[in-house]
Amino acid sequence: AQSVTQPDIHITVSEGASLELRCNYSYGATPYLFWYVQSPGQGLQLLLKYFSGDTLVQGIKGFEAEFKRSQSSFNLRKPSVHWSDAAEYFCAVGAPPRSADGLTFGKGTHLIIQP
Amino acid sequence: DTGVSQNPRHKITKRGQNVTFRCDPISEHNRLYWYRQTLGQGPEFLTYFQNEAQLEKSRLLSDRFSAERPKGSFSTLEIQRTEQGDSAMYLCASSLDRASGNTIYFGEGSWLTVV
Repeated sequence: AQSVTQPDIHITVSEGASLELRCNYSYGATPYLFWYVQSPGQGLQLLLKYFSGDTLVQGIKGFEAEFKRSQSSFNLRKPSVHWSDAAEYFCAVGAPPRSADGLTFGKGTHLIIQP
Repeated sequence: DTGVSQNPRHKITKRGQNVTFRCDPISEHNRLYWYRQTLGQGPEFLTYFQNEAQLEKSRLLSDRFSAERPKGSFSTLEIQRTEQGDSAMYLCASSLDRASGNTIYFGEGSWLTVV
């Protein structure tokens, strides 16, 4: 069974500082990996995804993530955070195309931005 | 592209009552998913449709839950005889089935409070 671990429940970063959110996954085959962001009381917005190819993927809002197969990781990064980045971030792993499975999510990392 | 639309956004109901949520997916998407999210947790997969066929149901989906997607367009999720443990946000998502990978887009969610 697939699983996702986000080791950090909360992270506090100063505005303008760099950010890295950790994600480790467990999946028996080539994973399809996603990062979503959720503002309070809202649905999930897709930040970026990895299906294949270049292991460094660029997303919206200046985010990027790097797939490292050897470490089973897909960490999210941003060089300089803005106060508007404060939200809940979810990493998810999906099954291959044409599979009946949906996404499996981690428990999320709550990002706090301090002035 | 109007995105995934869900309604009602909020529902407060008394224990034992039935509730129904509606989801309108992105128009060309043939896959539709329902997830449940409780406070402090990531979304959990409930069920999935390919066009009008319900192909997968999580064990989280008790007999009190039923989902339909008539004509492969909008979907409804009904919860009968609601219990306090059903209080959660119910997220709908949709995707287009592609061999290259499915990107799943989420709606804003429907909050259910059972009192």
